[in-house]
Amino acid sequence: NAGVTQTPKFQVLKTGQSMTLQCAQDMNHEYMSWYRQDPGMGLRLIHYSVGAGITDQGEVPNGYNVSRSTTEDFPLRLLSAAPSQTSVYFCASSYQWSSGGAYEQFFGPGTRLTVL
Amino acid sequence: RKEVEQDPGPFNVPEGATVAFNCTYSNSASQSFFWYRQDCRKEPKLLMSVYSSGNEDGRFTAQLNRASQYISLLIRDSKLSDSATYLCVVTPNTGNQFYFGTGTSLTVIP
Repeated sequence: NAGVTQTPKFQVLKTGQSMTLQCAQDMNHEYMSWYRQDPGMGLRLIHYSVGAGITDQGEVPNGYNVSRSTTEDFPLRLLSAAPSQTSVYFCASSYQWSSGGAYEQFFGPGTRLTVL
Repeated sequence: RKEVEQDPGPFNVPEGATVAFNCTYSNSASQSFFWYRQDCRKEPKLLMSVYSSGNEDGRFTAQLNRASQYISLLIRDSKLSDSATYLCVVTPNTGNQFYFGTGTSLTVIP
């Protein structure tokens, strides 16, 4: 199993450009999510999905779009990049919550994005 | 108020020392609790889940105090390889969101 994969590892954008960060998992996890990590802020949830065709907003969704057409893939789109979106982006997946609670999340290696 | 709060440290301890981290959470109905470890410029990885009765994994012990709304992580006999940032994670009993603390930095010194 490859686990959670993310591409690209590094990206530099100019203000106003758009791009898609790719995320894929091969563990048949229903739950997938995107976080950004900034110094002193911890990981903040951008969007998440509980299954194909179902997405929802997290804590910091503005400026980002997601879709979930398959169980495996969960791309994150930056619509018009801004310097405030300079960050490290992590994708994660897990089995869906049960009545007993949440399961371990597995993280991808991250994408380091700089917006000039 | 933040969902989860941690002392950022840094904690600098000698090899062999015992060190403890606490993490407080604001939602009394929180359901699941975890400790993750993150090495510099790497992704977070699960260290251990935290169960109501407390649990131990080798040199690591996790405790949950629902009355005071905090979780703790105790590391005994610290190793150089324990140097990392430790993140506490809490989930509510409703919704599908994981809330992360900002992390506590640990450096174990030879």
